[in-house]
Amino acid sequence: EDKVVQSPLSLVVHEGDTVTLNCSYEVTNFRSLLWYKQEKKAPTFLFMLTSSGIEKKSGRLSSILDKKELFSILNITATQTGDSAIYLCAGIIQGAQKLVFGQGTRLTINP
Amino acid sequence: DTEVTQTPKHLVMGMTNKKSLKCEQHMGHRAMYWYKQKAKKPPELMFVYSYEKLSINESVPSRFSPECPNSSLLNLHLHALQPEDSALYLCASSHRQGTGDTQYFGPGTRLTVL
Repeated sequence: EDKVVQSPLSLVVHEGDTVTLNCSYEVTNFRSLLWYKQEKKAPTFLFMLTSSGIEKKSGRLSSILDKKELFSILNITATQTGDSAIYLCAGIIQGAQKLVFGQGTRLTINP
Repeated sequence: DTEVTQTPKHLVMGMTNKKSLKCEQHMGHRAMYWYKQKAKKPPELMFVYSYEKLSINESVPSRFSPECPNSSLLNLHLHALQPEDSALYLCASSHRQGTGDTQYFGPGTRLTVL
């Protein structure tokens, strides 16, 4: 059975801290891994990772995929209260375009 | 522009009502999706349309009936729902199915079934 597991499930830090969110996957016919940020409504796209070892960056956020060890991390540096959200990772099954979501990490940034 | 729109934003319906959720995108995407998300859970896939044809139905009860009238629109018709169907219903689209393209989500419709 395809499975994506995120850790931690919940994380509370102070503004300015750096956080690392983890995502491990067991997905047959794995194609890519997606990271989303979900605040009150729809998940908003952050990164798509297809190749191993290539870091993707967007401002204070960065992510990398390890296809040998079957995991990905999402780093957020100099966190701000606006980073508070649920962060979802999802594996894409090649050919089916199905997303297998992890449970999400609820990140809370305190001022 | 990576916008997917959904209407209505909120919907309250009784168990005997018939209602429809609407989703629209103008990005030229040919794959569209319906997801259901309960509180504190990740989205669960319900249906996938590829080139206006239903390609995946994740064993969804028949009280949910999807429709894709054209490449930009996706509807979800609701009839005789149960209170446990209350959830956030998300629509998403991607360039094509089966290519590993990113899915972009709409803002969702929060459905309450009384």
